[in-house]
Amino acid sequence: KNEVEQSPQNLTAQEGEFITINCSYSVGISALHWLQQHPGGGIVSLFMLSSGKKKHGRLIATINIQEKHSSLHITASHPRDSAVYICAVDTDKLIFGTGTRLQVFP
Amino acid sequence: ETGVTQTPRHLVMGMTNKKSLKCEQHLGHNAMYWYKQSAKKPLELMFVYSLEERVENNSVPSRFSPECPNSSHLFLHLHTLQPEDSALYLCASRLGGYTGELFFGEGSRLTVL
Repeated sequence: KNEVEQSPQNLTAQEGEFITINCSYSVGISALHWLQQHPGGGIVSLFMLSSGKKKHGRLIATINIQEKHSSLHITASHPRDSAVYICAVDTDKLIFGTGTRLQVFP
Repeated sequence: ETGVTQTPRHLVMGMTNKKSLKCEQHLGHNAMYWYKQSAKKPLELMFVYSLEERVENNSVPSRFSPECPNSSHLFLHLHTLQPEDSALYLCASRLGGYTGELFFGEGSRLTVL
């Protein structure tokens, strides 16, 4: 069992819908990262957080350290949000989830 | 544009070839990483160079050899690879050694025939 689990693995949505992607982990961490990977392959860092909540545009990330759980929310989703979203945690090393593939249709 | 540049973006090689992947960053970061990404699997750490110290995943075969001549450049030398080594190879860097925001390159898509 991976130490970082994401759900769902695949997600489809209509444009404008509110999206939630979840990440649960089983180890003690110093920080959690949300990353976005487009079909071309490159990965972009969306958030790095160790407590509470962060917001950037239509993206919101929250973390509950006690419950070892984080969520990534996308408000008013758009087809350009279609990508793979990856959760990663910092312990004494980086541990990655397998990603959530999101497709947003017009 | 993340500030981390990888070349080449695509590489096709035979099992007897020798090739190298290159990664470059001028962000002032002091940690650089090589990751392997295979279909349906999490990113797999291959090597880390942090503050001039090298850390490696002991499961990485010796046909992969990293080189970090300075804090801005990282290479992955490839020699007598196998078809199962075909994957996306990603370079990343960050400022604070083992902490800080991650900056990834676009990746090098490797196909071994």
